[in-house]
Amino acid sequence: EVELVESGGGLVQPGGSLRLSCAASGFTFSIYALNWVRQAPGKGLEWISYISVGSSAIYYADSVKGRFTISRDNARNALYLQMNNLRAEDTGVYYCARDVADCSSGTCYEIRFDSWGQGTRVTVSS
Amino acid sequence: EIVLTQSPGTLSLSPGERATLSCRASQSVSSSYLVWYQQKYGQAPRLLIYGASIRATGIPDRFSGSGSGTDFTLTISRLEPEDFAVYYCQQYGSSPRYTFGQGTKLEIK
Repeated sequence: EVELVESGGGLVQPGGSLRLSCAASGFTFSIYALNWVRQAPGKGLEWISYISVGSSAIYYADSVKGRFTISRDNARNALYLQMNNLRAEDTGVYYCARDVADCSSGTCYEIRFDSWGQGTRVTVSS
Repeated sequence: EIVLTQSPGTLSLSPGERATLSCRASQSVSSSYLVWYQQKYGQAPRLLIYGASIRATGIPDRFSGSGSGTDFTLTISRLEPEDFAVYYCQQYGSSPRYTFGQGTKLEIK
């Protein structure tokens, strides 16, 4: 069974840092791209970062670019999100999500997030 | 940047009724890249539909997706009590890589 378990959330002051982790099990971690998605309290979903299988392709939402760093350790089946210079608007639940697509001839179709963790809560407040 | 606008914001229906949820894109989106998720209160999102119309594994056939270009629809043919939740559409694009609609809350009337 595919399982993604986030950890590392908590209360941090504005300007502070946190490192989130996502532990994966039940599938071959090294062949899947991954994402971080967050949800502010009472709000919708916001995609914030993507990392490819071998970490060669990394993307960020403008809202976190330059402050957040995504990384992965395929040997440890783990995904990370280093969050620096945190702001109040970064408060929310952070989910990791597995990225799945059907690819042929270098083009990928039917891209979707087929498995999600339960989320870890981040609160940025003084 | 492609913006996804979902309507209505809230939909109030009774079990057994048919639900029709809309997702409109500000520019044309490939059907291959349009996805629907369901999120129940306090839970992580769950994949429902991908490729605009393909049901994910384990999703009941009362859920269906349709549409192309800028207009996409999620239909729930006969609402069950467990279907009352928030639904999000999502698209894969170039920059940003992914965007979500703001969600439609499906509530019991």
